[in-house]
Amino acid sequence: GEDVEQSLFLSVREGDSSVINCTYTDSSSTYLYWYKQEPGAGLQLLTYIFSNMDMKQDQRLTVLLNKKDKHLSLRIADTQTGDSAIYFCAESIETGRRALTFGSGTRLQVQP
Amino acid sequence: DSGVTQTPKHLITATGQRVTLRCSPRSGDLSVYWYQQSLDQGLQFLIQYYNGEERAKGNILERFSAQQFPDLHSELNLSSLELGDSALYFCASSVEVLADTGELFFGEGSRLTVL
Repeated sequence: GEDVEQSLFLSVREGDSSVINCTYTDSSSTYLYWYKQEPGAGLQLLTYIFSNMDMKQDQRLTVLLNKKDKHLSLRIADTQTGDSAIYFCAESIETGRRALTFGSGTRLQVQP
Repeated sequence: DSGVTQTPKHLITATGQRVTLRCSPRSGDLSVYWYQQSLDQGLQFLIQYYNGEERAKGNILERFSAQQFPDLHSELNLSSLELGDSALYFCASSVEVLADTGELFFGEGSRLTVL
């Protein structure tokens, strides 16, 4: 079955790098995603990675995928106070069912 | 602004009551998803509709039901409400075409409080 796990909380200082980790169980996942939820708002897609890729970089964001260990990580370089939010990883499988399975979310707190 | 509209934003009701949450997807999106976000359960997938038909079911209780109308808006009906149903209910929509990335666009949610 599908299960996505994340640590619940991460605190970093402004300017440092943040690394948020996620493990998933479904090896048939086609896409893996990182969503961001700011206070009082819905989830917004930050970035995604296709399952045949190992790494994807998008400005301050770096996504690493280790398919063997079913491990996904999101690195945010030069973390800013505006990055404080809850970050969700999610997976999607292409079996006609496109609903995403989300992790529990990691709350990132950036200290000034 | 994701383009997905949910109403109401906040709702307070009593146990045993019934409520309806409404969602208008992004223009052109055929798929609508409902998710429940609670403190102890995280973000749980409830149900998906595609062009008016139910496509996938997740952890949706029998007391809950949903539908998608010909104009593609969707409603989530919650009945015989219990305290534990208090949560943030999200609607999301997607394009659902072959080779798309599967990105979901989320509304801002409807916060339900059951007293």
